[in-house]
Amino acid sequence: RKEVEQDPGPFNVPEGATVAFNCTYSNSASQSFFWYRQDCRKEPKLLMSVYSSGNEDGRFTAQLNRASQYISLLIRDSKLSDSATYLCAVGRDYKLSFGAGTTVTVRA
Amino acid sequence: SQTIHQWPATLVQPVGSPLSLECTVEGTSNPNLYWYRQAAGRGLQLLFYSVGIGQISSEVPQNLSASRPQDRQFILSSKKLLLSDSGFYLCAWSETVVGEAFFGQGTRLTVV
Repeated sequence: RKEVEQDPGPFNVPEGATVAFNCTYSNSASQSFFWYRQDCRKEPKLLMSVYSSGNEDGRFTAQLNRASQYISLLIRDSKLSDSATYLCAVGRDYKLSFGAGTTVTVRA
Repeated sequence: SQTIHQWPATLVQPVGSPLSLECTVEGTSNPNLYWYRQAAGRGLQLLFYSVGIGQISSEVPQNLSASRPQDRQFILSSKKLLLSDSGFYLCAWSETVVGEAFFGQGTRLTVV
């Protein structure tokens, strides 16, 4: 079983729509959680950390469910510029493991 | 502020040739350093990480090795490249045991 799994998508949504997707992790001892954004042929860039109580950063909302071992990302009022691949990352003991990414395409 | 430099940006190498990719971090001390590989359309695979000078942990047995000769320098090497070594190689650093990682711009390696 992979340590971190994501629905690869693609999620194809119109501008202004809300899109949400999850990421599951296998190790209950995981200590930290993040969402990264990766544009085509570029390096991943940190989008936001995910905290136990859930957190927002503008149009982005991240949630953590430790009992069911998943994290989620919700994007409200989608913009064309939100088109990218979103990678979840799970940290434990110096290591950050990544999912394969969820591709989101926002269309005009 | 902290910055991470990784070079070259692209590389085309013949099978059987050696490889050396270098990564340096500025603006921080004793960072945790990482090498990841991303195959086309795939996720990031952790290859090596280092928590200090001369300390290397290998995650996946393979044709590659890593070294950390200085606090903020991380090198990925191979003596003989294989076709399967092609991919997008990313160096990253973090400050804490489970903190977020920040990536260099990556090296796109094609082995021909």
